[in-house]
Amino acid sequence: DVKVTQSSRYLVKRTGEKVFLECVQDMDHENMFWYRQDPGLGLRLIYFSYDVKMKEKGDIPEGYSVSREKKERFSLILESASTNQTSMYLCASSLPGGGSSSYEQYFGPGTRLTVT
Amino acid sequence: QQQVKQSPQSLIVQKGGISIINCAYENTAFDYFPWYQQFPGKGPALLIAIRPDVSEKKEGRFTISFNKSAKQFSLHIMDSQPGDSATYFCAARVANQGGKLIFGQGTELSVKP
Repeated sequence: DVKVTQSSRYLVKRTGEKVFLECVQDMDHENMFWYRQDPGLGLRLIYFSYDVKMKEKGDIPEGYSVSREKKERFSLILESASTNQTSMYLCASSLPGGGSSSYEQYFGPGTRLTVT
Repeated sequence: QQQVKQSPQSLIVQKGGISIINCAYENTAFDYFPWYQQFPGKGPALLIAIRPDVSEKKEGRFTISFNKSAKQFSLHIMDSQPGDSATYFCAARVANQGGKLIFGQGTELSVKP
């Protein structure tokens, strides 16, 4: 059974703190993604990675960075958390390439981050 | 700009009725159009997907209708059940970007018994 796990379900941090969100997948997928989910805005892509040590900016990368040192692990970093980064953060993984399988992304359960 | 616009934001349907969710896109550099279903407390999961050279795809009670010339596609849920109550997202895969998806804004569906 495919699995994407995220380090925390709920997280409360203070403004200015450095925040690490961890994601691990056990499917040997090359692609990994970080999204934030906000009501009325859907899922917005923050960063994605096609391979170890590789990263690409998504649609809303400002205020975030990522790290992928191992194939199975993709970390999202908030360098200095702000209140407008309060959101649900979702990690996903998928197979690579342009074939029909890469449109299926497997999601973790999400981390609800509150920045006060 | 690559965008997918989804409507309605919320939908209430009686059990046994048909639920219809619509999406429209502007950019033509999309090569697959998947739909995802998300239950409370869970991440989204793939429900059904269609290629742009196909006008309709059906899987059980779920059907995607695709209108390439109008750049619109929709999800129809026949005989809607309370267990279908969830948030639905349409998406579009960006061609030649290895799996990047652009998601719509989401529709919260509630099926009343």
